[in-house]
Amino acid sequence: AQSVTQLDSHVSVSEGTPVLLRCNYSSSYSPSLFWYVQHPNKGLQLLLKYTSAATLVKGINGFEAEFKKSETSFHLTKPSAHMSDAAEYFCVVSPSGGYNKLIFGAGTRLAVHP
Amino acid sequence: EPEVTQTPSHQVTQMGQEVILRCVPISNHLYFYWYRQILGQKVEFLVSFYNNEISEKSEIFDDQFSVERPDGSNFTLKIRSTKLEDSAMYFCASSEAGGQLAIQYFGAGTRLSVL
Repeated sequence: AQSVTQLDSHVSVSEGTPVLLRCNYSSSYSPSLFWYVQHPNKGLQLLLKYTSAATLVKGINGFEAEFKKSETSFHLTKPSAHMSDAAEYFCVVSPSGGYNKLIFGAGTRLAVHP
Repeated sequence: EPEVTQTPSHQVTQMGQEVILRCVPISNHLYFYWYRQILGQKVEFLVSFYNNEISEKSEIFDDQFSVERPDGSNFTLKIRSTKLEDSAMYFCASSEAGGQLAIQYFGAGTRLSVL
């Protein structure tokens, strides 16, 4: 079965410092992986997606993620946090085999302090 | 920018009552989905819908649930007789294509409170 584990439920950083949100996946096949972000009272917004074209994926708002097959990881990073980055972040896997459902991690709440 | 809209943002109902959650997907999208998130738990897939029929559903999506595309713009989730454990945030999503590579666009959710 395919699954996603987000290793931290809460991450707190200072504005201007790097962000690292960790995600490990379990998949028997080549997965499609996504990061979504949810700001309060907003829908889930796609940050970036990995679909096997390139292992380093750049997304919106300066975020990027690196797919590491040997470590089954897809960590999300940003060089310098901004106050507006405070939100909940979800690592998501899309199973292979023609299915449409997404499988979500538990989420990581990012707090950014001045 | 096109977006998925959901109404209402918060629905309160009594146990045993029927509720209908409404969604307007992005206009040129063909695949539609419902997910839910019980407070403190993961977002869970409920159902996907394409070409006027369910293409996949989870174990959660039992006979109490149904989905419908009543016209060219709306996509609804009906819960026939609500239970306390149906209290959750319900998210609607849509995508232009299906399958593993499709990007699903989500609405802001409807918070359902069953009393």
